[in-house]
Amino acid sequence: KAGVTQTPRYLIKTRGQQVTLSCSPISGHRSVSWYQQTPGQGLQFLFEYFSETQRNKGNFPGRFSGRQFSNSRSEMNVSTLELGDSALYLCASSLRQGSYNEQFFGPGTRLTVL
Amino acid sequence: DQQVKQNSPSLSVQEGRISILNCDYTNSMFDYFLWYKKYPAEGPTFLISISSIKDKNEDGRFTVFLNKSAKHLSLHIVPSQPGDSAVYFCAAGTGNQFYFGTGTSLTVIP
Repeated sequence: KAGVTQTPRYLIKTRGQQVTLSCSPISGHRSVSWYQQTPGQGLQFLFEYFSETQRNKGNFPGRFSGRQFSNSRSEMNVSTLELGDSALYLCASSLRQGSYNEQFFGPGTRLTVL
Repeated sequence: DQQVKQNSPSLSVQEGRISILNCDYTNSMFDYFLWYKKYPAEGPTFLISISSIKDKNEDGRFTVFLNKSAKHLSLHIVPSQPGDSAVYFCAAGTGNQFYFGTGTSLTVIP
């Protein structure tokens, strides 16, 4: 069974640009969650999608948005990039919504904002 | 404001000895706690969890202890092995909202 895949793995953008990250969950998994990892803040929850609907949202500004498609693939978009958005963005999939002990993480997308 | 804190960014332990990783949380309403392990260039993997109705959960070499009055949990690894070298994240929360710590990098020295 293929694991969670994220594309691209690395991305360099400049301030003010926007970026879209993609996550393909494990086959059959309907929940996709997104996290931001930075050295100072650790892993911070962004949002969770289940059956194409956002079910849960962390404390991030509206510049961070996402969506989920009917095949459970998910995209995360960040608009008007800031230097502080440089981070590793992880997505995780699970069969059920809110199953934190059954999440499988992807390798992440390393975003650098210059 | 960090609701889950891991105050030790790094820890080094000799192979065969015990590794103890600590985690503190601020919200007494949290009722479920997890530990994840992360190797470089990989996503975190779930390791072990504990609910607030227990004070200890064991899975092989890994044991998690929960002290609700102190709002503190710890992960014990006995005996430590070089393959345990990784970053360990604790997470705490309730319902659908969980908060992660900043991680502790464990190095097990052969």
